[in-house]
Amino acid sequence: AQTVTQSQPEMSVQEAETVTLSCTYDTSESDYYLFWYKQPPSRQMILVIRQEAYKQQNATENRFSVNFQKAAKSFSLKISDSQLGDAAMYFCAYRSAYGAAGNKLTFGGGTRVLVKP
Amino acid sequence: EPEVTQTPSHQVTQMGQEVILRCVPISNHLYFYWYRQILGQKVEFLVSFYNNEISEKSEIFDDQFSVERPDGSNFTLKIRSTKLEDSAMYFCASSAQGGGANVLTFGAGSRLTVL
Repeated sequence: AQTVTQSQPEMSVQEAETVTLSCTYDTSESDYYLFWYKQPPSRQMILVIRQEAYKQQNATENRFSVNFQKAAKSFSLKISDSQLGDAAMYFCAYRSAYGAAGNKLTFGGGTRVLVKP
Repeated sequence: EPEVTQTPSHQVTQMGQEVILRCVPISNHLYFYWYRQILGQKVEFLVSFYNNEISEKSEIFDDQFSVERPDGSNFTLKIRSTKLEDSAMYFCASSAQGGGANVLTFGAGSRLTVL
């Protein structure tokens, strides 16, 4: 079974600065997908960014980028030019590329990001 | 932007009572999911549903849980006889297609408190 670990329960960042959230995962599969979801106080989880394991190029989405290290099974999220609206819980998640197992997301424990004005 | 809508936002119930949590997925989505998050713990997969049947379920999803799509728009999670440990936030999600590449859209969740 796959596991996802986020070792930082909480991170604090100054507005306009950069913060990096770490995520590691354990899998024996070679093909899979990795996601970062944001959960603001409104509770609704919103997709931030997605990475396909077969792609070597790191995904970017505006101020959000990832550092995907497949051999190390590491998938960190970098938030650049942090804004007050970035304050939320961030979840890393894994999804298999194979069959019915691809129907479920396996989540990490989350990292709370605090943005200081 | 299309949304997944969940009701109620918060429900308090007595142990042993039946609870139904409701979800309205995005209209053209075909795959539906329930996840739960016990306070302070990870978000956990419960069940996925496609073509009017369960496609996968976790070990958490035992006989006291059931899902159905009663009218083509709603997707419900029923807990037959609630226990204290069922207290959690329950998230519904939907996706246009199955498989790992497809993105899930989540609802805002229903908080269940069992007394």
